[in-house]
Amino acid sequence: QKEVEQDPGPLSVPEGAIVSLNCTYSNSAFQYFMWYRQYSRKGPELLMYTYSSGNKEDGRFTAQVDKSSKYISLFIRDSQPSDSATYLCAMKDTGGFKTIFGAGTRLFVKA
Amino acid sequence: EADIYQTPRYLVIGTGKKITLECSQTMGHDKMYWYQQDPGMELHLIHYSYGVNSTEKGDLSSESTVSRIRTEHFPLTLESARPSHTSQYLCASRDRDIQYFGAGTRLSVL
Repeated sequence: QKEVEQDPGPLSVPEGAIVSLNCTYSNSAFQYFMWYRQYSRKGPELLMYTYSSGNKEDGRFTAQVDKSSKYISLFIRDSQPSDSATYLCAMKDTGGFKTIFGAGTRLFVKA
Repeated sequence: EADIYQTPRYLVIGTGKKITLECSQTMGHDKMYWYQQDPGMELHLIHYSYGVNSTEKGDLSSESTVSRIRTEHFPLTLESARPSHTSQYLCASRDRDIQYFGAGTRLSVL
């Protein structure tokens, strides 16, 4: 079983929709949770970063962490065609050297 | 945030050639990483470094080698490229608990 599970999609939504992206994980030691956005033929860029449980909001993006369920989410409000990309979740434990990445969910936002 | 640069961005070479993928960062980060990424697949860690003169193999078996003679430079070398090495190679450096990625090198071995 993978440490991090992420539905690869693709997920196709109309412009303006609310998008929900999710990951589940098995390692209860994870404390740092990240979301990266990766455009085609580019490297991943950090979108959101959360420590431990709770919510974090940045503009149209909200990251949620539920450590009791080992479940993290990224919500995108008022989605735009420019949001079309692959979104990777990532997580890490305290003091650990390696970050574990999900396989990514491919998102298409149709104009 | 880190400025991290990878060259070349794209490379097409023949089997048996020796190649070096360059990675440089300007933020003085000690920890650096190389990943291999195939379409629709997870990032696979192939090498990492804690700092100068420190290199370790990652989770994915790789025929590549790395060196870390300077903090800012972490090149990856393939002594004899094969078609199975065709992939995207991503370099990252780490600040505290966040990794920052370069744009990647897309390698095709014919």
